Amino acid sequence: NAGVTQTPKFQVLKTGQSMTLQCAQDMNHNSMYWYRQDPGMGLRLIYYSASEGTTDKGEVPNGYNVSRLNKREFSLRLESAAPSQTSVYFCASSATVSNSNQPQHFGDGTRLSIL
Amino acid sequence: KNQVEQSPQSLIILEGKNCTLQCNYTVSPFSNLRWYKQDTGRGPVSLTIMTFSENTKSNGRYTATLDADTKQSSLHITASQLSDSASYICVVSDDGGSQGNLIFGKGTKLSVKP
Repeated sequence: NAGVTQTPKFQVLKTGQSMTLQCAQDMNHNSMYWYRQDPGMGLRLIYYSASEGTTDKGEVPNGYNVSRLNKREFSLRLESAAPSQTSVYFCASSATVSNSNQPQHFGDGTRLSIL
Repeated sequence: KNQVEQSPQSLIILEGKNCTLQCNYTVSPFSNLRWYKQDTGRGPVSLTIMTFSENTKSNGRYTATLDADTKQSSLHITASQLSDSASYICVVSDDGGSQGNLIFGKGTKLSVKP
């Protein structure tokens, strides 16, 4: 009963390095999301994919790219990491889009530190 | 600007006591309101989702209320347990565009002490 699985759980990068955060869901959901959570702030949407084959920018997309690899997988890439991207990153999925009454299911996050 | 404000920021209660968390929002057009529980080091977990026409919704010892006229919601926890220690996040979905947007509150951190 995995739900939403994120890898890695922890990562430390140097400024300028690149990396990809992986996310996979096994609930046959259409919509997937990437958020970041910073101390003292609510979750902020980076990118989302309403359905397989589509991706759209959220509130804070600068410095990130995404790929909806297939219905199960949605990855987040940092091309050139900056200290301001130090955060906890959450992937989520839902059966349909946000303004339906479907809950979002979250993974347990990737804790990313950029030095 | 669409906003979700939660109070208090943090709360400490004794095991077995009840508590109520507050959420005020200025989101328009309104679609639904959600409460999530986030344990330390884990992702948020959905507790309830309420639409405009729903006043109350329960999930075990958790009861959420919604007053769409005053744009207020509350989450009541009955007979608290140590496992209720977590952050509780209020989220409001607007009905904007084709996708809608989720506006997250900053959360209330609840500590239940023995």
